[in-house]
Amino acid sequence: ETGVTQSPTHLIKTRGQQVTLRCSSQSGHNTVSWYQQALGQGPQFIFQYYREEENGRGNFPPRFSGLQFPNYSSELNVNALELDDSALYLCASSLPAGRRLSSYNEQFFGPGTRLTVL
Amino acid sequence: AQSVTQPDIHITVSEGASLELRCNYSYGATPYLFWYVQSPGQGLQLLLKYFSGDTLVQGIKGFEAEFKRSQSSFNLRKPSVHWSDAAEYFCAVGARDDYKLSFGAGTTVTVRA
Repeated sequence: ETGVTQSPTHLIKTRGQQVTLRCSSQSGHNTVSWYQQALGQGPQFIFQYYREEENGRGNFPPRFSGLQFPNYSSELNVNALELDDSALYLCASSLPAGRRLSSYNEQFFGPGTRLTVL
Repeated sequence: AQSVTQPDIHITVSEGASLELRCNYSYGATPYLFWYVQSPGQGLQLLLKYFSGDTLVQGIKGFEAEFKRSQSSFNLRKPSVHWSDAAEYFCAVGARDDYKLSFGAGTTVTVRA
């Protein structure tokens, strides 16, 4: 069974650019969540995708957007990069129990993408 | 809104000694509580979780945690640490009807020989 994978591992961008981060969910998982982990902080929830639709969003501006594909892989896009966007971006996949999406369902995290904005 | 506080930023412990990491949460309803570990270059790995029932939960790698509702705490313990336990530890809170996890800022554990 393949775990959650993310690409690229590291990325350097300059302020104002756009970036796309990718995540392949664990086999059979149809729910993907994205988190931002700034240096010295815990992960902060960005949004979650379930069956290709955004299911919920944390306190992040619209320039953070995402997609989920039919194979349940996902992308995180960030436009107009700012210095404060420098962080480790984590993707987590899970399989909802029944119809309710709940944190009861274990989230399996990938190793993350380290984004540096100069 | 739910929140998690981990009062200790950094803890140093000798190999073979016991370890306790503190976690306090704020949540209006019944929380789901989690402890994750993050090693350098690795993703978060779930150590243990509490949903309901027995307030002392056992996890992987010899860790356990105790839920104390009266103190809004969910402290993580290990009787005897190994050098491989050096990592960052995160406490998180969720809920039955809330899919997102809210994490604390983490506690870095250093193990000295």
